Amino acid sequence: SYVLTQPPSVSVAPGETARITCGGKNIGGKSVYWYQQKPGQAPLVVYDDSDRPSGIPERFSGSNSGNTATLTISSVEAGDEADYYCQVWDSSSDVVFGGGTKLTVL
Amino acid sequence: QVQLVQSGPEVKKPGASVKVSCKASGYSFTNYGLSWVRQAPGQGLEWMGWIIPYNGHTNYVQKFQGRVTMTTDTSTSTAYMDLRSLISDDTAVYYCARTIVATMTIPSFFDQWGQGTLVTVSS
Repeated sequence: SYVLTQPPSVSVAPGETARITCGGKNIGGKSVYWYQQKPGQAPLVVYDDSDRPSGIPERFSGSNSGNTATLTISSVEAGDEADYYCQVWDSSSDVVFGGGTKLTVL
Repeated sequence: QVQLVQSGPEVKKPGASVKVSCKASGYSFTNYGLSWVRQAPGQGLEWMGWIIPYNGHTNYVQKFQGRVTMTTDTSTSTAYMDLRSLISDDTAVYYCARTIVATMTIPSFFDQWGQGTLVTVSS
């Protein structure tokens, strides 16, 4: 089965850049989607493959190559504090989510 | 605007069944898939499977096959997820999520989510 590996936590000071990684075998050949989930809320897609959904700030960007996909959040704000999940579709495992990364804004 | 409104919280005993509904509005119900994703307390997201309302095609994660049934009523734009033989590990928030379709049998991603339904399984 296909596995996506995320760091459990990432901490960053306000105004700095946060990078959240998502590791998977040859993930660079797949479409990767990123979700933000704040406490008590449903997930929200913040980056879909190579695009930002309407309403998502330009501070959110993504990259994907080799065995690692990365969600980059520039000029981090307190409101960005949340859990972030990556997701792909794989022919052997269907939809797969990463384990999630808790972003803490110091 | 697009909305997915789910039914209210449920408390069930082990061995019972639960049926969660998800009423869609603000878009053409048959133009998208509909997935169910669950999240156990303090845990990550787990995709359970999906249904294509246009033709009723379903695909369930093997872990849930035999215990889950996903259906839709296109006349009311409502999706249902029926989970049987509940155990304590089924305690979770269950989300419905509008699914972008990559091909007729392959889901892509989830662009709209319901508010979630807490299902508690306890004796």
